[in-house]
Amino acid sequence: KAGVTQTPRYLIKTRGQQVTLSCSPISGHRSVSWYQQTPGQGLQFLFEYFSETQRNKGNFPGRFSGRQFSNSRSEMNVSTLELGDSALYLCASSLAWGSGGSMRNEQFFGPGTRLTVL
Amino acid sequence: AQKITQTQPGMFVQEKEAVTLDCTYDTSDQSYGLFWYKQPSSGEMIFLIYQGSYDEQNATEGRYSLNFQKARKSANLVISASQLGDSAMYFCAMREGLKDTGNQFYFGTGTSLTVIP
Repeated sequence: KAGVTQTPRYLIKTRGQQVTLSCSPISGHRSVSWYQQTPGQGLQFLFEYFSETQRNKGNFPGRFSGRQFSNSRSEMNVSTLELGDSALYLCASSLAWGSGGSMRNEQFFGPGTRLTVL
Repeated sequence: AQKITQTQPGMFVQEKEAVTLDCTYDTSDQSYGLFWYKQPSSGEMIFLIYQGSYDEQNATEGRYSLNFQKARKSANLVISASQLGDSAMYFCAMREGLKDTGNQFYFGTGTSLTVIP
């Protein structure tokens, strides 16, 4: 079974631009979560999507948004990039409640997209 | 309050020795799950081991075991017979019970483990 894939793997943008990152979950997984990882803050939860609906959102400004498609693929968008947005963005998929999931269902992570904002 | 606390920013261990990475958690839920992940320098998070709050036995997965002390709210990872390939960041994480937090995982700040030959 193929793992979680994220594209692109690396991205360089300048302040003020916007960026879209893509995540394809493991087949059959309907829950997709996004995290921002920086050396100073660790892994910060951005949001989670399940069946095309955002179920939960972390404490990030509205510049960060996402969506999920009917095939469970997800995208996240960051508008008006700031220097502080430079980070590794990780996507994770899992089985979840309502789909035969249980507390045991771990999140499977993709390799991440490393975003650098200049 | 932090949901997951990892108090060891960095640890060193001699090859073939055992090492314990600490993790404490904070939740008022009765039902929750605890996870450990490994993140090598390549960046990808690798799932290692899981412990459910109702599990009576400590979880084990090969060289990994979890020392679960529910009353103390601790879930320490024990790596036996350390190998050079174990050098990585290790994250403790928690998923709380059925509430409106969906599938959110809470992560600690991680412990950087270096295995010395």
